[in-house]
Amino acid sequence: DIVMTQSPDSLAMSLGERATIDCKSSQSVLYSSNNKNYLAWYQQKPGQPPKLVIYWASTRESGVPDRFSGSGSGTDFTLTISSLQAEDVAVYYCQQYYNTPYTFGQGTKLEI
Amino acid sequence: QLQLQESGPGLVKPSETLSLTCTVSGGSISSKSHYWGWIRQPPGKGLEWIGSIYYSGSTYYKPSLRSRVTMSVDTSKNQFSLKVTYVTAADTAVYYCARHPYNAEVPYYFDYWGQGALFTVSS
Repeated sequence: DIVMTQSPDSLAMSLGERATIDCKSSQSVLYSSNNKNYLAWYQQKPGQPPKLVIYWASTRESGVPDRFSGSGSGTDFTLTISSLQAEDVAVYYCQQYYNTPYTFGQGTKLEI
Repeated sequence: QLQLQESGPGLVKPSETLSLTCTVSGGSISSKSHYWGWIRQPPGKGLEWIGSIYYSGSTYYKPSLRSRVTMSVDTSKNQFSLKVTYVTAADTAVYYCARHPYNAEVPYYFDYWGQGALFTVSS
């Protein structure tokens, strides 16, 4: 199984600050034939299902504010929130879909 | 707007079978471009993928759960289902159904999720 490890486990920031969450996979999730990274990011608010934020490591899902961005390739990825808003408080998960079993990171709790 | 809704009994006794159904509305489960998956989340913990199914019945299962898990699809009702046998307290979780796009490889990320349903294993 591909192990996904996020850092930090929790993050406390101030409104307007830049937040970064890292995700490392135990093996590359870059598919060489199409040069795509099979990596997604989700946001989960309390009592709600996860919501897709980023896929293919850097493609923002429709309707997601442009303060959210994803970067990285191979085994190292980052989710960046450029200017933190109160509504961004949530747990964020990375997930690889390079192969099955699909695996998620342990989550990063973002607080204000 | 696509919607997914999980249903099933909320309480199951140890060693019995947990049965869940996901009803899809606003879209067709027979789409050739999507797989349909189950993910669970124990209270206060992270996300675990259980398995995914195509409208044709083709499945992917998490290997460590394969011996206890069965997924099925009913295209006439626009539903897919999950059965987990011989449940223990470790199977207590919020169970989500979700959709993933598919393009002749493995299915991709999960783009639509149900609200989730808590299933508790207890005598």
